[in-house]
Formats: sequence, C-alpha cells, structure tokens
Amino acid sequence: AQRVTQPEKLLSVFKGAPVELKCNYSYSGSPELFWYVQYSRQRLQLLLRHISRESIKGFTADLNKGETSFHLKKPFAQEEDSAMYYCALTNTGGFKTIFGAGTRLFVKA
Amino acid sequence: NAGVTQTPKFQVLKTGQSMTLQCAQDMNHEYMSWYRQDPGMGLRLIHYSVGAGITDQGEVPNGYNVSRSTTEDFPLRLLSAAPSQTSVYFCASSRPTSGRAGEQYFGPGTRLTVT
Repeated sequence: AQRVTQPEKLLSVFKGAPVELKCNYSYSGSPELFWYVQYSRQRLQLLLRHISRESIKGFTADLNKGETSFHLKKPFAQEEDSAMYYCALTNTGGFKTIFGAGTRLFVKA
Repeated sequence: NAGVTQTPKFQVLKTGQSMTLQCAQDMNHEYMSWYRQDPGMGLRLIHYSVGAGITDQGEVPNGYNVSRSTTEDFPLRLLSAAPSQTSVYFCASSRPTSGRAGEQYFGPGTRLTVT
C-alpha cells in the first residue's frame, strides 16, 4: 500500500533560518516523489520532483531509499515561503497519487 | 488553455440531498483524480481514472460515485450527502511523460458544506 507521512503539522521559523520539512513514505514498488505547495488563495502546484534533482525557489529534496524519506530543505527561509506543503507519492505507472497530511510553514520576519 | 476547471465554487447541501461536482480539463490528460482536503488530514484520494470509461477507487470512496465518459470530464457524484462530507474538493489531471509520472494540475476547488 502507498502511504506518505508528514510528521509536522506546523513549522514556524524566522526569516533567514534553515528549514526542513520531513516526509517519509511506504511503497513496495518504484515510487516517484513530489513536493506540492499551496500558497494563500492559490491553487495547489508542483514545487519539485525527485527525478529532476532541481533546486526550485531555493528548495531541494533528496530521495533516500534506505530511509524511505524525501525531506524538503531550504538553507535560508523567506517570508514568501509561508504556505502549505504537501509531500506526494505516485505509483509505478503514474496514475495514482497519494498525499501526506501537509505541513504549514510559517516564516516570521 | 483554461487548465482544470471546477464548478460550483461553493455549495451548501442538506443531509440526504444529492449533487454532482463538475470537473473538466482541456489539456488532453489521460489521468484524472478527485481529492478531498480536510484540516489535519491533507488531501485524500476519493476516485481516479486512467482514461475514458475506466475508473477506480482511492482511499476514501464511500458515498461518492464517478464516471468518465470523455477524456475531458470527470464528474463526482454525492449520492446522499452527509455532514462528514463537508470538505474542500479538488480535481486534478496529469499525463505521463517519457514513461514517468506527470505533474498533477489542480482545479480551484469546490467548498462543500452539508448541514
């Protein structure tokens, strides 16, 4: 079965501080992992995906298959990073995506 | 392109009433999904479809029906609304790219209240 766990419901950091949003997953096949973000009054949108290995808006995430984790990191948080972040796992075949419970990030001035 | 559209944006139902939430996409995506978003529970998959005529259950399918008669449309039907179905509903679509899972594109959501 697919399962995604985000242990923190709320993360509050000061501007300029590092931030790490945790994500652990459970899946027997070859998963594809994503981070989606929902800014206030905007649609849910893709932030990054593990196969691209890109840095988007300063965020990076590395897939650790040994620890079944896909944590999202940013070295210096900005106020505009305040949003709801969802970790998601898509099954082999790409047609079924399961989301975690989400972490609300609040970056204080 | 309009992307993924959902109607209505808001709806209030009485317990026992039925209704259909509409979802359409104009990107020719094969895969479409319905999610509900509840505080503390994130997005939970209700039903999904891999193409016209093919649907399957997700994590929380009870009380909901779907059909996919065309590539573009994927309506979600509430058969007999219950207060537990009060939620924000999101429709999403995607298409695989080079054999990998595609990015999900989301609609704006429908906020449903059942009294």
